[in-house]
This record gives sequence, structure tokens and C-alpha cells, in this order.
Amino acid sequence: DIQLTQSPSALSASVGDRVTITCRASQTISNWLAWYQQKPGKAPKLLIYKASRLESGVTSRFNGSGSGTEFTLTINSLQPDDSATYYCQRYDSLITFGGGTKVEIK
Amino acid sequence: QVQLVQSEAEVKKPGASVTVSCEASGYTFLNYGITWVRQAPGQGLEWVAWVSPYHGETKYAQRFQGRVTVTTDTSTNTAYMELRSLRSDDTAVYYCARAGHSNFLWHFDLWGRGTLVTVSS
Repeated sequence: DIQLTQSPSALSASVGDRVTITCRASQTISNWLAWYQQKPGKAPKLLIYKASRLESGVTSRFNGSGSGTEFTLTINSLQPDDSATYYCQRYDSLITFGGGTKVEIK
Repeated sequence: QVQLVQSEAEVKKPGASVTVSCEASGYTFLNYGITWVRQAPGQGLEWVAWVSPYHGETKYAQRFQGRVTVTTDTSTNTAYMELRSLRSDDTAVYYCARAGHSNFLWHFDLWGRGTLVTVSS
């Protein structure tokens, strides 16, 4: 089974920083990858689908890239409201989620 | 308003069954699938199942096969997930989300608020 590994598992950054989260697949999943943001006690929110397509209504400070086995979610100009856990999700042949990356604002 | 409204929290004993509902509004129910994802306390997301209201087709994660059934009622735009033979490790928030209508392999662009299912003796 293809595994999704997110790194780091947690990070702390300052307002205005650029933050990069990586999601690695153990085998190629083409570009069938989505990114979600989840705040405590809330449902996940779709940010990016098909690796790089920005969901409607999501700020362009979020950027997704990659294909094959390595993907990144970049948050430009980090804002206090970006404090959350971020998950990647593959949907090539099965649906699985990465373990999550908790982003904290310093 | 485009939304998915889920049923209230449930407390069940081990071995019992639970049914969670998810009512869709603000969009054409038949044009999208409904997927179910769960999240145990303090843990990550786990995909459970998918159903297409249009085709009636279903797909289940292997670890839940035989223990979960997902259905829809197109007259009320409601999806249901029944989980049987509950164990303590089924304690989780169960989310429904909007998905692809003809293929379970999709991203999820609209989520319900979640239903907490607690399994305890």
C-alpha cells in the first residue's frame, strides 16, 4: 500500500514567514493529491486539489506543487489565522491521508 | 446555502450499531458523491466509505468492509452511514463530505461539522 509521509510533523514560524510542508508518497500518485487545513474542533477545509489547483475562495497565499512522489504546500506571508493542522490526501487508486503537520505561530 | 448537516452526537455500548445522517442542501444532491471520513481523538483523518446518490454505487475502505454500510435517500437528500459491532476504538468524530459522483477517487470540497460517536460500556 502506498504510504503518505508528511514532514515536519510540527513547526513554529513567525507572521510574515514563508512555510513549506512536504508530503512524500512511497510510490508515484501522479498529481492526485489534495491539501486540507483543519482548525481545532472544526472540519477540514479543502485548500488545494490535483496537487496545484487552488480551491475557489482560498487565498492565493497557499500554493501547491509537485507530482509523482513529492509534493509541497507553501504558505506565503504566514498569518495568525493560518495556525492549524494541515493534511495531504492521495486519491490515485485509494484514499489515504498524511499524518498531518501542525503549524503554530510564534 | 450550500451545506451538509449531520446528526447529533451518539453514545453507544460495545457491540451496538450506530447510524449517522448527513443532509445536503443548496446543491444538486445527485451530482455529487458523499464520502465518510473519521477522526479519533487527537488523531489524523481516516477514510471510511463513499456512496454515489446517482448510481447507488458504494466503496468501502478495506478495514471497514462488512462492518459499515453507506446509503442515500434521494427524496430527502440525505446520506447515511451505519457502523456495526462497535468497539471502543471506533470512538471518533465522523465527517461526511461532498465528493465525486461517479468515482470515489476524488477530493472533498464541502464538509459537514462532524458527529461524535462515543463507544463506552
